[in-house]
Amino acid sequence: EAQVTQNPRYLITVTGKKLTVTCSQNMNHEYMSWYRQDPGLGLRQIYYSMNVEVTDKGDVPEGYKVSRKEKRNFPLILESPSPNQTSLYFCASSPGTGLSNQPQHFGDGTRLSIL
Amino acid sequence: AQSVTQPDIHITVSEGASLELRCNYSYGATPYLFWYVQSPGQGLQLLLKYFSGDTLVQGIKGFEAEFKRSQSSFNLRKPSVHWSDAAEYFCAVGPSNFGNEKLTFGTGTRLTIIP
Repeated sequence: EAQVTQNPRYLITVTGKKLTVTCSQNMNHEYMSWYRQDPGLGLRQIYYSMNVEVTDKGDVPEGYKVSRKEKRNFPLILESPSPNQTSLYFCASSPGTGLSNQPQHFGDGTRLSIL
Repeated sequence: AQSVTQPDIHITVSEGASLELRCNYSYGATPYLFWYVQSPGQGLQLLLKYFSGDTLVQGIKGFEAEFKRSQSSFNLRKPSVHWSDAAEYFCAVGPSNFGNEKLTFGTGTRLTIIP
């Protein structure tokens, strides 16, 4: 089954404690992206990657890091989490040849609470 | 820059009644347009998409949307809603060229169905 898998689904942690949210897709997609969803703001892009070892900032990259060492994985790293990073996070992937082929597939989301 | 406006934050509809959710976009060229649905605790599921051609597009679950270039709109419709349609609906616009396939989302419309 084609899917985007995020882990963990829920996490409560404290300010300053480094954490990583993993994202893995099994569709051999080139393009992957991270979004955060906040009430009243919709989804906003954090980082994206167009291929292995190619990453770039989205609209709200401050406080986040990503890496793309393998095609299937695109982890989101919070080196020193702060309460304003409490949010619902989504990973998404698509073939990367232009949106005309297929839409982005989304994971089920990771709810982070930073105390 | 691309942007999306969903003017209705919350809509309540009786089961069996018709539904229209509004979406207006801003984009310099012909956009790629999407409607996603998010059920509580779930990720985003694509309902339908518009790339080109027929301006009335059919999606899953009996939904349809009409692209109106003159009004910069892409409203979502369903002739008769079911209780299971209660969810949050997001309109999104994407770039019609290869590159960062960032989706720009509206702030969402929460749909409540009453018996």
